[in-house]
Amino acid sequence: DVKVTQSSRYLVKRTGEKVFLECVQDMDHENMFWYRQDPGLGLRLIYFSYDVKMKEKGDIPEGYSVSREKKERFSLILESASTNQTSMYLCASTQTGRYGYTFGSGTRLTVV
Amino acid sequence: GDSVTQMEGPVTLSEEAFLTINCTYTATGYPSLFWYVQYPGEGLQLLLKATKADDKGSNKGFEATYRKETTSFHLEKGSVQVSDSAVYFCALTSSFGGYSTLTFGKGTMLLVSP
Repeated sequence: DVKVTQSSRYLVKRTGEKVFLECVQDMDHENMFWYRQDPGLGLRLIYFSYDVKMKEKGDIPEGYSVSREKKERFSLILESASTNQTSMYLCASTQTGRYGYTFGSGTRLTVV
Repeated sequence: GDSVTQMEGPVTLSEEAFLTINCTYTATGYPSLFWYVQYPGEGLQLLLKATKADDKGSNKGFEATYRKETTSFHLEKGSVQVSDSAVYFCALTSSFGGYSTLTFGKGTMLLVSP
């Protein structure tokens, strides 16, 4: 089975800090995604990448950036964390999308 | 743009009851449709999928049929268990700037009591 591993389950950061969320997949998938999940809003797409060094903005990219230097790793960066970025962050990968995405376990980030 | 509408929860059932969670969608083209499940404190797991009209996806006693004429993909299970308590998300593949992404509904919480 494909595994998508997110480096932290829980993180607490201070306002203004630079935060890195890491995601690694082990099945050579081309496409990787970052979503955030909030109660009543479901999952919203932040950024995605369809190849190494390539990135595309999703629905809510403001306040975030991403990095994909290697095929298996996709990092989400909060340049200056704010309290409204407190959320559950989910990483996913897929080869074609047609048959589904594989998700990591999520990182619950709290910004204080 | 593409969108998914799910019934609002929570859905509260007794063990062994019949479950239906409604899902309708708006999309261009011919999307694939999915149900994902999220257990407390965990990420999303793919529950079942259907890639074309009239396909029926099934897994762990859950079923859903891709109905293009009614743009629906309702999730059903004949007899729920306490262990089915979770949040269920309906999703479809959609085009985003020429790329394929997943668009999700807002999720439906299911609570099953003994």
